[in-house]
Amino acid sequence: KAGVTQTPRYLIKTRGQQVTLSCSPISGHRSVSWYQQTPGQGLQFLFEYFSETQRNKGNFPGRFSGRQFSNSRSEMNVSTLELGDSALYLCASSLGQVPGTGELFFGEGSRLTVL
Amino acid sequence: AQTVTQSQPEMSVQEAETVTLSCTYDTSESDYYLFWYKQPPSRQMILVIRQEAYKQQNATENRFSVNFQKAAKSFSLKISDSQLGDAAMYFCAYRIVGQFYFGTGTSLTVIP
Repeated sequence: KAGVTQTPRYLIKTRGQQVTLSCSPISGHRSVSWYQQTPGQGLQFLFEYFSETQRNKGNFPGRFSGRQFSNSRSEMNVSTLELGDSALYLCASSLGQVPGTGELFFGEGSRLTVL
Repeated sequence: AQTVTQSQPEMSVQEAETVTLSCTYDTSESDYYLFWYKQPPSRQMILVIRQEAYKQQNATENRFSVNFQKAAKSFSLKISDSQLGDAAMYFCAYRIVGQFYFGTGTSLTVIP
């Protein structure tokens, strides 16, 4: 079974631009969540989608948005990029049932550098 | 507020020795799940071990075990017989309903 796939793996943008990151979950997983990872901050939760609906949202500005398609693939978008948005963006999928053990399966991440 | 604290940003252990990584969390919920994830350098994060909060027995996965103290809200990870491949960033996390909360991580170095 293929794992969680994130594209692109690396990208460089300049301030003010926007970026779209993509995540394909494990087949059969209906929940996709996104995290921002920076040194010293750990993983900060961005949002979670389940069956095309945003189920949970973290404390990030509105410049960060996402969506999920009917095939469970998800995209996140960051508009008007700032230097502080430089980070590793991790996508994780799970079966998504609540309650449940809900183990997360992570992708390798998309490393965004904002210049 | 839901928080997870890993007070050891960096740890090191001699190969074949035992090391314990600490984690405390704060929640008012009684039903939740606890996890330790491992992130090797430039590789994806993988689950190391999982503990259900309603279970009193500590979880064990081969060389990895936890010391779960629910009243103290403590969830430490013990790695026995450390191997070079154990070198990674370790994240403690807990899950309430649908949301995960992660700590800031502990970077483990294994010394040959």
